Parts: sequence; structure tokens; C-alpha cells
Amino acid sequence: AQSVAQPEDQVNVAEGNPLTVKCTYSVSGNPYLFWYVQYPNRGLQFLLKYITGDNLVKGSYGFEAEFNKSQTSFHLKKPSALVSDSALYFCAVLVGSNYQLIWGAGTKLIIKP
Amino acid sequence: EAGVAQSPRYKIIEKRQSVAFWCNPISGHATLYWYQQILGQGPKLLIQFQNNGVVDDSQLPKDRFSAERLKGVDSTLKIQPAKLEDSAVYLCASKAGSYNEQFFGPGTRLTVL
Repeated sequence: AQSVAQPEDQVNVAEGNPLTVKCTYSVSGNPYLFWYVQYPNRGLQFLLKYITGDNLVKGSYGFEAEFNKSQTSFHLKKPSALVSDSALYFCAVLVGSNYQLIWGAGTKLIIKP
Repeated sequence: EAGVAQSPRYKIIEKRQSVAFWCNPISGHATLYWYQQILGQGPKLLIQFQNNGVVDDSQLPKDRFSAERLKGVDSTLKIQPAKLEDSAVYLCASKAGSYNEQFFGPGTRLTVL
């Protein structure tokens, strides 16, 4: 079965430190991967995607993600965390002939001053 | 470029009442989605439209939920009658092409009492 896993319910990072939010996937065929962020009482906002090409993808707000085919991972990273990065982060993979997203359960990122 | 519009932002109803949500996607986006999001969880797809046709409604509780996109632009999602477990945020999203990212509206927070 095709799936996305976000193994951490919550990640705590001190402001200024690097952050990583983990995502692993299981799909048949080539993976098309996405990261979204959700701030409180807001809709989901697109951060970045991997379709093909370079394994390191750069996105909005200084975030980047590294696609690793051998480890079937697509971890979200940022070199220096900001308090304003505190939010809920979702990883998703595109599947099927209808091009639908399968969503991870989400990871709450808390950046402490 | 205007984003995805949704209304109302909040709705409180009694169980067994009916409610309708409206979505206006980004201009030119052929694909439109309705999702249900329980607090702290990933979005659950309810229905997917391509222009004014239904692509997938396999997870739509059709005994109480209905949706339409008559002219291939705006869409409405209706619940009749509502149950307590329908309390959630209802998100509308649209996208331009198969591998493109989805753009989300702010959502409608429904509380069923």
C-alpha cells in the first residue's frame, strides 16, 4: 500500500538552531513529494515539491528538503530556525491516475526562543 | 493572483440541521478538491472535481454529504443532516495541472452541537 510516514508527532528546536522534520514514503513508481505548512486557524500553504531533478529542493521561507531514493525519505530542513516557523508541517506524496495526495499525519514544530 | 476563497469561515449548527460551504478556486484551475480536516490530523479527501465532473467521491458520505461544481468554477459542499462527528475544518483546494501543487483556501470551521 502506498503511504507517507512522519515518525515524529512533535519536534522541539531552539531558535537559531538547524531543524529537521522527517518524512518517509512508500509508493510504487517514481515519487512526487510535497511539503505543506499550516499555521493556527489557517489553511495549508505549499512549501516545496520534488518531481524530478536535483535531490535538494529549495522552497519558501528558507526551507529545503532532501530527496533520498535509497532511504525513501524526503526530510524538511532549515539551517536556522525562527520562532515564527512554529506550525504544523505535513508531508504528502502524489499517487494514482487521479493525481491525488496521500498525507502524513503531520509534525508539530515548536521553536523556542 | 487571488487565492482560493471560502465562506463562511466559521459555522455553528445544531445536529440534524443542514449547512453549505462555498469555494471559489484560483482562476483557471481545472481541478478542485474538498477535504475534511479533524484538528491535528492530515486532510481527508472528500471529493475531487475536474472542471464540472466528479473524478473521485469514494470517501464522501453520500447519505448526508453532497457537492457540486455546476459551471466548472465555484463549488458548494452541503451536509444534511449534520452529525456531531462532522465537526471539523472543511478545506477547499485547487490546482492547475497534474503535478502542480494544490492551493488551499482558509477553510470553514464547522461546529455541530
